[in-house]
Amino acid sequence: KAGVTQTPRYLIKTRGQQVTLSCSPISGHRSVSWYQQTPGQGLQFLFEYFSETQRNKGNFPGRFSGRQFSNSRSEMNVSTLELGDSALYLCASSLDGIGANVLTFGAGSRLTVL
Amino acid sequence: DQQVKQNSPSLSVQEGRISILNCDYTNSMFDYFLWYKKYPAEGPTFLISISSIKDKNEDGRFTVFLNKSAKHLSLHIVPSQPGDSAVYFCAASKSSARQLTFGSGTQLTVLP
Repeated sequence: KAGVTQTPRYLIKTRGQQVTLSCSPISGHRSVSWYQQTPGQGLQFLFEYFSETQRNKGNFPGRFSGRQFSNSRSEMNVSTLELGDSALYLCASSLDGIGANVLTFGAGSRLTVL
Repeated sequence: DQQVKQNSPSLSVQEGRISILNCDYTNSMFDYFLWYKKYPAEGPTFLISISSIKDKNEDGRFTVFLNKSAKHLSLHIVPSQPGDSAVYFCAASKSSARQLTFGSGTQLTVLP
C-alpha cells in the first residue's frame, strides 16, 4: 500500500513569490491535513480537508490556502511568501471514524524562502 | 500558549535500558493522545496512542501511560535500541477530530 506522497520534496523561492505543494493521500483515506514544522514553533496545524471541503483551519494568515480534489488529492498554496514561511510542510491523511486521529504523514516538502 | 509541552529537548539512554519520555498538556478537552517518532528527512511515524478512558496502553516495547488528574503522559521504551534514536513528538486531540496539537519534541539518543 503506497504511503502519503508529497511533491516537490525541496524547493527554493524568493520573497513575494507564491508556491503550490501537492499531496496524494493513502488510497481510501478521505481526510487530508497539512502541518507546518519550523525549528521554533514545532508542528503546527494548518488545515484539514474532507470530501473537498475544508473542515478545520489553524491559526495562519489568509496567505495560506488549500483545496482538495474529488480523488482526495490535496494542494496547499502560500502566496506572497515571507522569509518566515521557510519550513517543512507536512501532509497527513487518515480514515474517517474510529482511529481517525491516527494520521499517516508524508515525508514533507522543504520550502526555503530567500 | 503551548497546550502540549515536552520539557526535555533531549534524552540519552544506554542500549537495553528503559527510555522514558514525558509530556504535559493543559487543555482538559483533549481526550486522545498519540506519540510519533521522526527521523531526519522523513515525516513523523505513528507509534502508539491512548484514549482518555484508559490509563495504559502497550504495544510491544512501547507503553504509554496517561495520568488525567496530572494532565501528564509518558512513553516507556523497553528495552531501548540504537534504532530508536529519533525525535519523539507527543500529540493530543479532541475526540475524533483530525487536528492534532503537538509538543515540541524530545530527541532520544540510544547509546550502544
